[in-house]
Amino acid sequence: EAGVAQSPRYKIIEKRQSVAFWCNPISGHATLYWYQQILGQGPKLLIQFQNNGVVDDSQLPKDRFSAERLKGVDSTLKIQPAKLEDSAVYLCASSLIPGQGVETQYFGPGTRLLVL
Amino acid sequence: AQTVTQSQPEMSVQEAETVTLSCTYDTSESDYYLFWYKQPPSRQMILVIRQEAYKQQNATENRFSVNFQKAAKSFSLKISDSQLGDAAMYFCAYRRGNNDMRFGAGTRLTVKP
Repeated sequence: EAGVAQSPRYKIIEKRQSVAFWCNPISGHATLYWYQQILGQGPKLLIQFQNNGVVDDSQLPKDRFSAERLKGVDSTLKIQPAKLEDSAVYLCASSLIPGQGVETQYFGPGTRLLVL
Repeated sequence: AQTVTQSQPEMSVQEAETVTLSCTYDTSESDYYLFWYKQPPSRQMILVIRQEAYKQQNATENRFSVNFQKAAKSFSLKISDSQLGDAAMYFCAYRRGNNDMRFGAGTRLTVKP
């Protein structure tokens, strides 16, 4: 079974530019998560989708971050405009059963963003 | 708010020996889930082991086991017969129901040959 796919793997941009990340979850997984992992810290949830609806986006900086999940499959996360503090690894994860606490989340390889 | 604390930024173990990684958490809830995730260098994060809070028996997965002390809010990971492939960042995480998973800051484990 194919894992969670993310692209690009690396991105370097200047502050105030825009950037978008793409995630393709494991086939059939209803729940998709975007995490931000700043160097030296654990991942922090930005947004959680169940199918194509948003379950939790309480920690998403909505003035600059946006995300969508088209047709309940692929998802994109956008930052516009980027700030220096957005430099981080952006992880996408998916799980099979919608939002169940014990359900295993499968992570993608992440996109490493550097904002200069 | 639930917080997860990993007090050991770095740990080192000799190959074939045993190492224990510490994790404490803060919650007022009685029903929740705890996890240990492994993140190898430049590779994706994978689940090592998980524990349901309502279960008294400590979870075990091959060489990995946990010591879950609910009253003390402690959830340590023991790795037995350490292998070079165990070298990675290890994250402790807490989740209650459908709420977001909270991660600790991680412990970097080095395995010496």
